[in-house]
Amino acid sequence: GQQVMQIPQYQHVQEGEDFTTYCNSSTTLSNIQWYKQRPGGHPVFLIQLVKSGEVKKQKRLTFQFGEAKKNSSLHITATQTTDVGTYFCAHGNGQNFVFGPGTRLSVLP
Amino acid sequence: NAGVMQNPRHLVRRRGQEARLRCSPMKGHSHVYWYRQLPEEGLKFMVYLQKENIIDESGMPKERFSAEFPKEGPSILRIQQVVRGDSAAYFCASSYLSGTIPTDEQYFGPGTRLTVT
Repeated sequence: GQQVMQIPQYQHVQEGEDFTTYCNSSTTLSNIQWYKQRPGGHPVFLIQLVKSGEVKKQKRLTFQFGEAKKNSSLHITATQTTDVGTYFCAHGNGQNFVFGPGTRLSVLP
Repeated sequence: NAGVMQNPRHLVRRRGQEARLRCSPMKGHSHVYWYRQLPEEGLKFMVYLQKENIIDESGMPKERFSAEFPKEGPSILRIQQVVRGDSAAYFCASSYLSGTIPTDEQYFGPGTRLTVT
């Protein structure tokens, strides 16, 4: 089945620095979703991308879907301590969902 | 509109006992997904159900694990004869239909943390 990989596995940043996580697949994806999970919490849906080259913004978060629909990125500008958590990309094919292993972000105040 | 509810939030079982995990989807949602998450790992898809139907159980172990989503009542994930390796967080998520196709936006419950001693 389709697999999605994420890099980096961990990222430590100073508050105010930018952060980017990347999601990659060897096959073309019909869609990509991004979720955030706070420590001890549950995943929370952030966004879905479906179009080639699509870019969406949510305040300090910018989501991008690659032209070939094989990769995606999440960029956070000027991180805050509230951004701490694990960011997962996921792909759904109408039957099941595949989640990437996640990127764990820690923000040092 | 209440979110996805799961109970119990924490469950301790001895090896060999049965674990029953319950999930009530959001109002209006007819699709339920179960995931397992080991500490500091990603989410592993287990099973996808609609009311009274299992749509995809490709991620669920063939033995000891079963899932149902009856016409009335919550979805149940049942683990028989639990072993230590079953200790994990089990999350349920629900989504709604857009026309005849389930949307990909999933709403997750708070999870059940299962500990097998």
